[in-house]
Amino acid sequence: DAGVIQSPRHEVTEMGQEVTLRCKPISGHDYLFWYRQTMMRGLELLIYFNNNVPIDDSGMPEDRFSAKMPNASFSTLKIQPSEPRDSAVYFCASSSPVQVTYNEQFFGPGTRLTVL
Amino acid sequence: AQSVTQLGSHVSVSEGALVLLRCNYSSSVPPYLFWYVQYPNQGLQLLLKYTSAATLVKGINGFEAEFKKSETSFHLTKPSAHMSDAAEYFCAVSDPDPGGYNKLIFGAGTRLAVHP
Repeated sequence: DAGVIQSPRHEVTEMGQEVTLRCKPISGHDYLFWYRQTMMRGLELLIYFNNNVPIDDSGMPEDRFSAKMPNASFSTLKIQPSEPRDSAVYFCASSSPVQVTYNEQFFGPGTRLTVL
Repeated sequence: AQSVTQLGSHVSVSEGALVLLRCNYSSSVPPYLFWYVQYPNQGLQLLLKYTSAATLVKGINGFEAEFKKSETSFHLTKPSAHMSDAAEYFCAVSDPDPGGYNKLIFGAGTRLAVHP
């Protein structure tokens, strides 16, 4: 299996632009998680999905952030409009029903976002 | 709410020396505890997990951790450091949420440097 795939790996944009981050989970995994990692706040869970349905989005910072999972093999995290404080590494992770019992999550390589 | 404290944001050891990374947790229920490792420019990878079975848990790459309830600790050790162990290490605790899923709460991370 190719593991969790994220694109792009790096994104540089200007303040006010829309940014879309993409994730393909491991096949057969029906839990999908979006995290944000910054020096100041560490690793934060933004939102997670089960069977394509958002279960908990309490970590989403504000209305500028939105996430979708239109099918079992694809999810997006969108920031509109982007701000410099959104600069971070964004990780996607997935898990299966068996593994989720013990919180074993498989992480993608991350997208490093820089907002100028 | 569950929380994790990692003592020491940076640890430096010589190759061949003992590695000790400290983690203390706060949990209102019997916890599941985890250590994840993040190599440069990569996502997080599960090292080992404690799920209320044996208190001494062995993981990949020669790492192990011991759950000590009386000390609320889950320190990570490796008898002999290798250059390839240089990475950032995250301790995490499970946090049950109303959605029925145990979210992961991560510590701030400890960056391990190994020098010749």
